Order: sequence, then structure tokens, then C-alpha cells
Amino acid sequence: DAGITQSPRYKITETGRQVTLMCHQTWSHSYMFWYRQDLGHGLRLIYYSAAADITDKGEVSDGYVVSRSKTENFPLTLESATRSQTSVYFCASSDRGPNNSPLHFGNGTRLTVT
Amino acid sequence: AQRVTQPEKLLSVFKGAPVELKCNYSYSGSPELFWYVQYSRQRLQLLLRHISRESIKGFTADLNKGETSFHLKKPFAQEEDSAMYYCALSGNQFYFGTGTSLTVIP
Repeated sequence: DAGITQSPRYKITETGRQVTLMCHQTWSHSYMFWYRQDLGHGLRLIYYSAAADITDKGEVSDGYVVSRSKTENFPLTLESATRSQTSVYFCASSDRGPNNSPLHFGNGTRLTVT
Repeated sequence: AQRVTQPEKLLSVFKGAPVELKCNYSYSGSPELFWYVQYSRQRLQLLLRHISRESIKGFTADLNKGETSFHLKKPFAQEEDSAMYYCALSGNQFYFGTGTSLTVIP
């Protein structure tokens, strides 16, 4: 379903540049999440947000910044991109939290840092 | 610490054969366990959750607290089951395992 969209789908950037990945959902879900997917590591949580203006770090938050000024948007910024941040990034949303309602995922953004 | 372990990165079975995707977890409280699936060119989506005790697309998973396992099973694999499967645990945060890529051979 198209309720959660990520942009861009593909991005190539250089080491040291700032990059922002966008995530937009149309369901007014309270919870939003950012994961990165890497071979051998599966999906690892970067940041999550339980509501607008509330964000919390996940297990791999270093080098990333998020904001949630509006319920529907949850942009992820790499302040100074490094090659280790080359990955596929997934945004997800959930209505009542992942315990009580499923995570709905976007299509992902494939980021390459050269 | 919370952890979800999926020991098999790759799993191949023949069509019609039983399939079991293993998932073990470590968590000090009472976890909620889930299986998510990603079919080729599709988004990651919820397959089933332990609390609902349901069968989805012929798959079942039983939470075994003694063995701290939540293995996903299906008695007769179908070609359309080929996908990436992630076990996930919800405790103080939501954690995914490293995933198992299942291939069903026709």
C-alpha cells in the first residue's frame, strides 16, 4: 500500500556530505521508525518516535539525527556521511506501537556513500 | 540484553517438504514475538505474532519460553513462500533478527 513513502529511492553521496532521507505517512500513525538493513546484521533500529516532537535513539543512532515536527513526517539526516553508512534504509510506522499493531514499511532508500 | 538469533542465513527446501525457520531470543521480561516477511520486490510486512496464535498462509509459530524459541513452521512448502523472513522481538525496543532467506525449489 502507498500509505508510507520514502524518498529518494536511490542516493549516491560523498563522504562528509549531509544527506536527508524523507519519510511520509498518510495514516496519522503515532509511531514511526528508521531501520538500516545490512548483510549479516538484519534490520537495526536507528531512531524511533512515539509521537510528534518525541524521538528516541535506537541501537545504531550515532551519526544520525531525526526530527518529528509533524506526525506524518519523520526525516532522517546523516550529518556527515561515512562509508559505513552505506546501507538500505527503511522507514516504518505503527498505529498503537509495534506490540499492538503491525509495522508498515516503506519501500526503502538505497544509500551509497563514496 | 535483548537479542534475536536466526542461525540460518539461507535455507532451501523442496516444494511440498516441511520447512522450519529457527528463531531464538534472549530477553529478561515477557517478550512479544513476531515474524515479518519480505517477498521479492515487495515491502516488509507482518506475517504473524505469537499472541494471536493464528496460522497465516499455512505458517504457524509457537512461543517456547523454556527453550526461548519462536520457530516458524509450515508442513508443506510452496514456491510462493520463497522470501526473506525476519523474527522480531518487542521488549523495551523492537528488535529484528538477521533474517533467513528461504528458497523453495520446484
